[in-house]
Amino acid sequence: ETGVTQSPTHLIKTRGQQVTLRCSSQSGHNTVSWYQQALGQGPQFIFQYYREEENGRGNFPPRFSGLQFPNYSSELNVNALELDDSALYLCASSFTSGYNEQFFGPGTRLTVL
Amino acid sequence: GESVGLHLPTLSVQEGDNSIINCAYSNSASDYFIWYKQESGKGPQFIIDIRSNMDKRQGQRVTVLLNKTVKHLSLQIAATQPGDSAVYFCAENKARTGTASKLTFGTGTRLQVTL
Repeated sequence: ETGVTQSPTHLIKTRGQQVTLRCSSQSGHNTVSWYQQALGQGPQFIFQYYREEENGRGNFPPRFSGLQFPNYSSELNVNALELDDSALYLCASSFTSGYNEQFFGPGTRLTVL
Repeated sequence: GESVGLHLPTLSVQEGDNSIINCAYSNSASDYFIWYKQESGKGPQFIIDIRSNMDKRQGQRVTVLLNKTVKHLSLQIAATQPGDSAVYFCAENKARTGTASKLTFGTGTRLQVTL
């Protein structure tokens, strides 16, 4: 186990709704990255937070947003859910940006109906 | 465009044999590579990493080889065990100091270990 926790483990929403996913980083880690993993695919980078600021973003629309708190935990918010948002959402924490191993949590499985 | 891809979607090996999982990358500027193992229902688990100033790195039962000339990465697992059954991803980390450490993953290779 990596020490990165995510909640909830599973979630079912309907199209158009909003969702908030949560991540607690490993002790001492100040950087959290979020990834979306569709079934049968590799994870895709959504964005990263470093010291409470967004520090890079992948090819995801603005309805994907996030926060990082002073204790380095993080939230991923998705507005106006679409069917294609159904996926496993992973967060990963690391010490700093750069050449540092990212430790992944178990993920939140989101299903949009 | 930039991509990290894998040669084989599924690899079946017999218990005790060695496994070799291959990966190709297209961005010659990539300088850090990681292999992850993902078991069903779990997040990716770090196996081993390598920086572009190296061509080989060994861990416990695993070896990663990097060939920058042909932009190829491989993961070798010695004496494969049933517990090695999982999906394996190579990931490219285009990291620089002060910028985002964005991992770019390939689709993955499923390793099936037969008894």
